[in-house]
Amino acid sequence: DAKTTQPTSMDCAEGRAANLPCNHSTISGNEYVYWYRQIHSQGPQYIIHGLKNNETNEMASLIITEDRKSSTLILPHATLRDTAVYYCIVRTDYKLSFGAGTTVTVRA
Amino acid sequence: EAEVAQSPRYKITEKSQAVAFWCDPISGHATLYWYRQILGQGPELLVQFQDESVVDDSQLPKDRFSAERLKGVDSTLKIQPAELGDSAMYLCASSLGGGVNTEAFFGQGTRLTVV
Repeated sequence: DAKTTQPTSMDCAEGRAANLPCNHSTISGNEYVYWYRQIHSQGPQYIIHGLKNNETNEMASLIITEDRKSSTLILPHATLRDTAVYYCIVRTDYKLSFGAGTTVTVRA
Repeated sequence: EAEVAQSPRYKITEKSQAVAFWCDPISGHATLYWYRQILGQGPELLVQFQDESVVDDSQLPKDRFSAERLKGVDSTLKIQPAELGDSAMYLCASSLGGGVNTEAFFGQGTRLTVV
């Protein structure tokens, strides 16, 4: 699987949009970008995934650059409950290979 | 909303004892995964089932760990004997299929402490 690079941590303000970057410069044409998050002591929660088109659901938006070498997860209106570790995963096959993720802290 | 069920939620066991974890995937999900998550790290895949068959157990320490999914529905992960280094969160996930365009859903995990 292509490796991903995410910032170790980031803060954002409650009520503002949170933009979480992910670099995946070695991604191949058939690899999907997945985002999960993990709130303390809980199992990972699926957020969104995409191949090359931008995607949006009730939780977030996923913006993938045209060359697919990077992506951004957007939480449109961050709340305190969005504080979690966010994992960006590039998936080739059945495996979901998690890295260290980004620890996102939403501050009031 | 359908969920992946895991039990127990917490388990404390002494080293050299046997321990087992149970997972009930979302109904209709053919693919089941067991992950281990050491504190401060991301989850690591231990074993994947497609129905009752093992697809990948390359990261499963087979000298002490075993996993089964006899009827292709619920699954059990066993450790015998447990070692101190096995202390971790054990996560189960399921998906409709094993394809790359199919999201997996995780349970709340079993927190194992070996003393």
